[in-house]
Amino acid sequence: DQQVKQNSPSLSVQEGRISILNCDYTNSMFDYFLWYKKYPAEGPTFLISISSIKDKNEDGRFTVFLNKSAKHLSLHIVPSQPGDSAVYFCAARATTSGTYKYIFGTGTRLKVLA
Amino acid sequence: DTGVSQNPRHKITKRGQNVTFRCDPISEHNRLYWYRQTLGQGPEFLTYFQNEAQLEKSRLLSDRFSAERPKGSFSTLEIQRTEQGDSAMYLCASSFSGHNNEQFFGPGTRLTVL
Repeated sequence: DQQVKQNSPSLSVQEGRISILNCDYTNSMFDYFLWYKKYPAEGPTFLISISSIKDKNEDGRFTVFLNKSAKHLSLHIVPSQPGDSAVYFCAARATTSGTYKYIFGTGTRLKVLA
Repeated sequence: DTGVSQNPRHKITKRGQNVTFRCDPISEHNRLYWYRQTLGQGPEFLTYFQNEAQLEKSRLLSDRFSAERPKGSFSTLEIQRTEQGDSAMYLCASSFSGHNNEQFFGPGTRLTVL
């Protein structure tokens, strides 16, 4: 049972345009969400997070939106740069269930074209 | 370097052999996580520790897998009687306890079972 889903395995975007990566989840107990970026042969690197009490969080070029009613979050990257080309994972945690484990999606490979 | 370190970075072994991996977390982090990642998938939760206590273990983890964090600092993950299906990237991450503290990942140990 895949509780966190990233239905788009890949995405190509022109440099300077917006990249939108999507993530859906099924567990209504999830209360904290994160996005990670992963380059080949490296571990994932934390990008941005959002708590379930918010619907938006911004950090520079990165913005995460959370729609709890739709159980959907998205990561916007504006403007996209070639260095953003990587695999992006969303992850979720259900702290109110007494656990601090994270459930990851399968990832979306972003390619930013120069 | 104050990041999460993992050793070895690569391990090739024959089926049936035992292997042990080590993870050194960021020094002030009290939570330590182990994940497994296979091609095209996101990191899959295996287990996590808070200080020296192993608080949760995935049901997917067979009895051949064991993890320890004896002094609440570094951790080891041992796989006994390795099988070809154990071939994967094994990732370690650490975090500081708190509601919204993200995980920092190490570079991973790539295991190949022949």
